[in-house]
Amino acid sequence: RKEVEQDPGPFNVPEGATVAFNCTYSNSASQSFFWYRQDCRKEPKLLMSVYSSGNEDGRFTAQLNRASQYISLLIRDSKLSDSATYLCVVGGSQGNLIFGKGTKLSVKP
Amino acid sequence: DVKVTQSSRYLVKRTGEKVFLECVQDMDHENMFWYRQDPGLGLRLIYFSYDVKMKEKGDIPEGYSVSREKKERFSLILESASTNQTSMYLCASRRQENTEAFFGQGTRLTVV
Repeated sequence: RKEVEQDPGPFNVPEGATVAFNCTYSNSASQSFFWYRQDCRKEPKLLMSVYSSGNEDGRFTAQLNRASQYISLLIRDSKLSDSATYLCVVGGSQGNLIFGKGTKLSVKP
Repeated sequence: DVKVTQSSRYLVKRTGEKVFLECVQDMDHENMFWYRQDPGLGLRLIYFSYDVKMKEKGDIPEGYSVSREKKERFSLILESASTNQTSMYLCASRRQENTEAFFGQGTRLTVV
């Protein structure tokens, strides 16, 4: 099992749609979880941290399920500007950060 | 704002050259990382450092070395560049374990 797995997509959705991404991780001892966003030919930027209790930031909601070892990201009311690649990131047991390969989202008018 | 600065955006080097990629952060972060990113492979960790003069191998350290003589600077060295090291190189830093990382703008290296 790969350390961090994501569906690569692409997810093609119309403006205003709700879209959900899932990510699974293999190390049950992981303690930190994040979603990053990466635009084409740019560096990844933090979208949000993911907490056990779940957290919301405007149209974005992140959830963590430790028992099943998966993380989710929900985007409501999609905008054209949400088009990007979304990277699931998990803290490794050696102090490193392990990235999923990313899920590509394309929001169409 | 945290700033992570990589010395070059684009670099072209010849096979066999020794290549230095520099990364500097201005927020007194403990941890620093070097990744490479290739289409279909995502971000892969080359080396990371959790303190000055400390380094740990990542998933793909072969052909690379690193140096961290000062807290703010983490250098990636390609001892003898090869064409399969053509890639986007990304440096990141973070304050400590379990906190988010901040990335530099990336260096697109082409080895010819």
